[in-house]
Amino acid sequence: SQKIEQNSEALNIQEGKTATLTCNYTNYSPAYLQWYRQDPGRGPVFLLLIRENEKEKRKERLKVTFDTTLKQSLFHITASQPADSATYLCALRSYDGNNRLAFGKGNQVVVIP
Amino acid sequence: KAGVTQTPRYLIKTRGQQVTLSCSPISGHRSVSWYQQTPGQGLQFLFEYFSETQRNKGNFPGRFSGRQFSNSRSEMNVSTLELGDSALYLCASSLLWDRDNEQFFGPGTRLTVL
Repeated sequence: SQKIEQNSEALNIQEGKTATLTCNYTNYSPAYLQWYRQDPGRGPVFLLLIRENEKEKRKERLKVTFDTTLKQSLFHITASQPADSATYLCALRSYDGNNRLAFGKGNQVVVIP
Repeated sequence: KAGVTQTPRYLIKTRGQQVTLSCSPISGHRSVSWYQQTPGQGLQFLFEYFSETQRNKGNFPGRFSGRQFSNSRSEMNVSTLELGDSALYLCASSLLWDRDNEQFFGPGTRLTVL
């Protein structure tokens, strides 16, 4: 069956350090992968998109990598700040007949001042 | 540009009732998707509409239905509510369907079924 897995345990990290989140997928052939941020009681907010033929994308303090061989994406927040505390969701869409945008359950990040 | 709006924001219903939720996408966006979010299951895809046509449907029972109007506004309906339907229902809009567009989410409708 198809799965998108993110760590269910919250990541507690000291301010200024780099937070790294993992998104693993099974039985998908994703055309692209997206990362979203969600704050409590609010809808997710788009952060970054990376396509299947791209290895890495950056936006300000955020960096995403995409390894289609390992079937994994890594999401990095460098120089983390307390305002980065939120839940981060990965989502992917594949074009293999079931081309809906599917989300992982999210990984919470807590940045400790 | 106004964001995605959803109404109502909060709703309390009892089992067996039906409910209609509304979503107004960002102006110019023609694709609207609906998701159900619960703590246990995360964000689960319900359906996706583009140009008034349902393009994709998730694995939900027939009690869940939706539609899109010519102005791209969308509604979803849940009939014969069950306790397990309590969730945050999120609507998202994007420019086009089936492309690598980012999705813009609304604030959600929190549905509680008693």
